[in-house]
Amino acid sequence: GAVVSQHPSWVICKSGTSVKIECRSLDFQATTMFWYRQFPKQSLMLMATSNEGSKATYEQGVEKDKFLINHASLTLSTLTVTSAHPEDSSFYICSAFGGGSSYEQYFGPGTRLTVT
Amino acid sequence: EDQVTQSPEALRLQEGESSSLNCSYTVSGLRGLFWYRQDPGKGPEFLFTLYSAGEEKEKERLKATLTKKESFLHITAPKPEDSATYLCAVRVRNDYKLSFGAGTTVTVRA
Repeated sequence: GAVVSQHPSWVICKSGTSVKIECRSLDFQATTMFWYRQFPKQSLMLMATSNEGSKATYEQGVEKDKFLINHASLTLSTLTVTSAHPEDSSFYICSAFGGGSSYEQYFGPGTRLTVT
Repeated sequence: EDQVTQSPEALRLQEGESSSLNCSYTVSGLRGLFWYRQDPGKGPEFLFTLYSAGEEKEKERLKATLTKKESFLHITAPKPEDSATYLCAVRVRNDYKLSFGAGTTVTVRA
């Protein structure tokens, strides 16, 4: 149980274009989803928290207009990197929290974004 | 300010050589400490949640313990497949967010 998928697993795009990454909870309903960014040999950095049907909450220093998050259903959240630049190249990972008292987050496999 | 510190940064073990990883935290209002395993190029895999001092949890060769200031992840008789980065994270107050430590990369040689 508690499986989270991400699509695509990797993507290469040209500078100035936009890229959408999908995060799905496959066997549970995710009331809250999180988006993280991870640089090589570094830990996870939380970018934003999204709750189904409401606006995402962004961490300090994360550009809301560059990283658009939509959580339209209890099983799907999307992250769109707008006008991507080479410095946006990174490993993006989502996680889902299904509610209840255990508070574990279950992570997707990640998406490797390379902007050329 | 809430802080999570993991040590050592890297750990190289011989197969069968037991060892421990440390996660120390200075947070107010701990609501849970989580251990994850992350393989290169993949998302973290959930291992354990600990909520109160004295709590222990086990899974195969891994055992996690919690005190009021730190948590340990003990690896007993490790095998090469235990090689991974182990991440510690804390949840504080009534927030659902997790704050992660930098991780300990474990390499087990056959």
